[in-house]
Amino acid sequence: AQSVSQHNHHVILSEAASLELGCNYSYGGTVNLFWYVQYPGQHLQLLLKYFSGDPLVKGIKGFEAEFIKSKFSFNLRKPSVQWSDTAEYFCAVNQAGTALIFGKGTTLSVSS
Amino acid sequence: EAGVAQSPRYKIIEKRQSVAFWCNPISGHATLYWYQQILGQGPKLLIQFQNNGVVDDSQLPKDRFSAERLKGVDSTLKIQPAKLEDSAVYLCASTFHRESYEQYFGPGTRLTVT
Repeated sequence: AQSVSQHNHHVILSEAASLELGCNYSYGGTVNLFWYVQYPGQHLQLLLKYFSGDPLVKGIKGFEAEFIKSKFSFNLRKPSVQWSDTAEYFCAVNQAGTALIFGKGTTLSVSS
Repeated sequence: EAGVAQSPRYKIIEKRQSVAFWCNPISGHATLYWYQQILGQGPKLLIQFQNNGVVDDSQLPKDRFSAERLKGVDSTLKIQPAKLEDSAVYLCASTFHRESYEQYFGPGTRLTVT
């Protein structure tokens, strides 16, 4: 069965620290990959997506992610986090026309 | 552009009672999804509609959950009777068409079953 694993349940960083959140998936065939973010009290929002082309994708708010097909990974990175990045982050995958399969999420807490 | 609307935002019921949630997707979006998000987990698909037809309901507990999208726009999700383990956030999402990559999510309905 298809699945998504997020390695970190809770990450605590100080402002200006670098961030990397791990995501691995188990999915045969061509996949689309996503990172969603949920700020406290807000909806799930799309951070970035990959479906083809350059495996390094840039999203909103300075986030980027790299798709490494051989490792079935799609890790999220940000060089310098801010207090406002405190949120829950979800990695998700799908194939065209199908629903998203989400990981369990990583809670990021950034202290100022 | 208005987003995905859901109501109610919060609901508390006792076990064995029934409850219904409503979703209004973004105008023109043909594909609609209901997800269940249990605390500490990622959202999990319950049912996917394309217009008013069901595309995937393989993970919907059909003995107690039902959903409909009669006119291909609004959708309702019902639970009858509710169990304690149904306590979760119920998310509605929509996309313009089935092949669209981005799903737009509503604010969710937080259900507590006591």
